[in-house]
Formats: sequence, C-alpha cells, structure tokens
Amino acid sequence: GDSVTQMEGPVTLSEEAFLTINCTYTATGYPSLFWYVQYPGEGLQLLLKATKADDKGSNKGFEATYRKETTSFHLEKGSVQVSDSAVYFCALSENTDKLIFGTGTRLQVFP
Amino acid sequence: IAGITQAPTSQILAAGRRMTLRCTQDMRHNAMYWYRQDLGLGLRLIHYSNTAGTTGKGEVPDGYSVSRANTDDFPLTLASAVPSQTSVYFCASRKAGTGNTEAFFGQGTRLTVV
Repeated sequence: GDSVTQMEGPVTLSEEAFLTINCTYTATGYPSLFWYVQYPGEGLQLLLKATKADDKGSNKGFEATYRKETTSFHLEKGSVQVSDSAVYFCALSENTDKLIFGTGTRLQVFP
Repeated sequence: IAGITQAPTSQILAAGRRMTLRCTQDMRHNAMYWYRQDLGLGLRLIHYSNTAGTTGKGEVPDGYSVSRANTDDFPLTLASAVPSQTSVYFCASRKAGTGNTEAFFGQGTRLTVV
C-alpha cells in the first residue's frame, strides 16, 4: 500500500542554519504530496503542497519539489528561525481521498 | 469561524468503558478522517469517510467504530477501551474529489485509558 518515510528526528539547528528534512514515498499511482506542521499543543496545519511531478510548493520560506524519479519530496529552508521549532509531517494522497502521513520529524532551533 | 471542533479536549477512561469522541465541522467538507498520534509512530489513520453515509477502514481500525449520519459530524467510538488506546486523537476534514485539497485538523483529544 501507499506509505511515506521521513528522516528520524529530532533535527537540532542553530538559528539561520539551512534545513533539509527528507521524505520519500511509495504509491501505486500519482499522488499529491504535502508537508504539514504541528506546533506544540496544536493540531496539524498545511505548510505546502505539490500535485504533480516537478511542481515546487512553497510557503513561509519553506519549499519542496515533487521528484517523481526519486519518489521524494524533501523539505528545505534557507535560514531557520526559533519560531520554526515544531514537528513536520510529510503526507500523500491519491484519488481515494485517504491521506497518509509519515512519522513526523521534530525540529528544534536554538538562538 | 469554528472550522473543526473536537470534544472532549482530554479524558481519563477506565479500561472496559465505552467512549465516543465527537468531531464536528462547519465547512461542508465531504471527507472526514480520524487519526491517532503516538510518539515515534506519527499519525495513523483509523477510519475515514468520503461522504455522508459511507465509511472506510484505515491502517488501525480494530477496537474503533465510526458513523457518518450527516455531513458535519463524524464521531469515533471505542466500544470497550483498552490501555493501548491511550493516545492523542485528531479529527480532520477536507473537500473530497481529486485528493489534492488541504485537510483541516481539530485541536485533538488526549485520551488516557487506565
């Protein structure tokens, strides 16, 4: 079945460092791909998405490119801030309308 | 704008008891989902519903049941709670269709089964 694999956390960075969180997926068709973010004590909220190969999703300085050839959707940000500390989830969805999540990666940014 | 509301916020429940977690949305979304979030396991799909009157099983449906009598409500029932069902439960909804729409999440219900 469909699945999402994310890098283990926590990822610990100093402010203004470059961030990469790896995400790869397995799907039978052509899914849409998402990154969601969860701040402490809250539910998840959409960060960005891409719906077809080579699409780049971007929001709040974060970006991710849908790479069909490597089945990947890595999240990047050029300069992280303390306020970016959260748990980040990669997810996929095919036409069945199931929304499948990875295990999440905790990011901790220190001043 | 309420969005999606879950109740209760938290609950301590004796093993063997029955419990219903409530979820209501006011966005007229067709698709709704229940997830459980456990440390190291991320979000796992319990049940989903693509439209009122239909439901489907996710990755971890055992011990849980759902109903979708109307568009707005999607309750999750634990018929006889066990300690392994201690978790944080999230309800979500989104427009159904092509699978590329944003999902909106509730604030979660923290359930402890003792």
